[in-house]
Amino acid sequence: DADVTQTPRNRITKTGKRIMLECSQTKGHDRMYWYRQDPGLGLQLIYYSFDVKDINKGEISDGYSVSRQAQAKFSLSLESAIPNQTALYFCATKGTGGRDEKLFFGSGTQLSVL
Amino acid sequence: GESVGLHLPTLSVQEGDNSIINCAYSNSASDYFIWYKQESGKGPQFIIDIRSNMDKRQGQRVTVLLNKTVKHLSLQIAATQPGDSAVYFCAELPFGNEKLTFGTGTRLTIIP
Repeated sequence: DADVTQTPRNRITKTGKRIMLECSQTKGHDRMYWYRQDPGLGLQLIYYSFDVKDINKGEISDGYSVSRQAQAKFSLSLESAIPNQTALYFCATKGTGGRDEKLFFGSGTQLSVL
Repeated sequence: GESVGLHLPTLSVQEGDNSIINCAYSNSASDYFIWYKQESGKGPQFIIDIRSNMDKRQGQRVTVLLNKTVKHLSLQIAATQPGDSAVYFCAELPFGNEKLTFGTGTRLTIIP
């Protein structure tokens, strides 16, 4: 079983719809992240959370919100989806052994907004 | 602004040959660097890392070289195999920061 699980794997939605992407992890990590990947661009950080009560904005948080329901769960919401939010979304986790701890990624959610 | 960039967006290498993927970074405050491999349909996977107090680090068939003078990072893959076909990303971590900055990626294709 995957350590970092994202659901759904693929989603097609319409402009204006609310959508939630979910992430769960079995690694026992405190730190969780949401990234967005567009063709030809690197991974861009949307939001990150160091623990259940700590949520932080990343580079491109506008149009997104997150919820850290438990240590193992971190969901990303698009309140009103727009076509330029079509992208591949990754959840990642990291332990607290130090700032240079490795990120572990899920398999991604491909989101298409029509 | 400062960013991590890659010299070549695509690279094709004959199976069995060595490959070199390059990365230029411009943030002189970065003191930790990572290479990730992303296969089709999968999330990025850690390959190897290096701290700024080193200039070379070796793993299994992979070597990372760091040249701080010219702010250049490279990933060498020895005796490439079909399974090495993927997109490779470098990432940097500025000193005092906990957020990685990723490059745009290089697509490596291994030719049988």
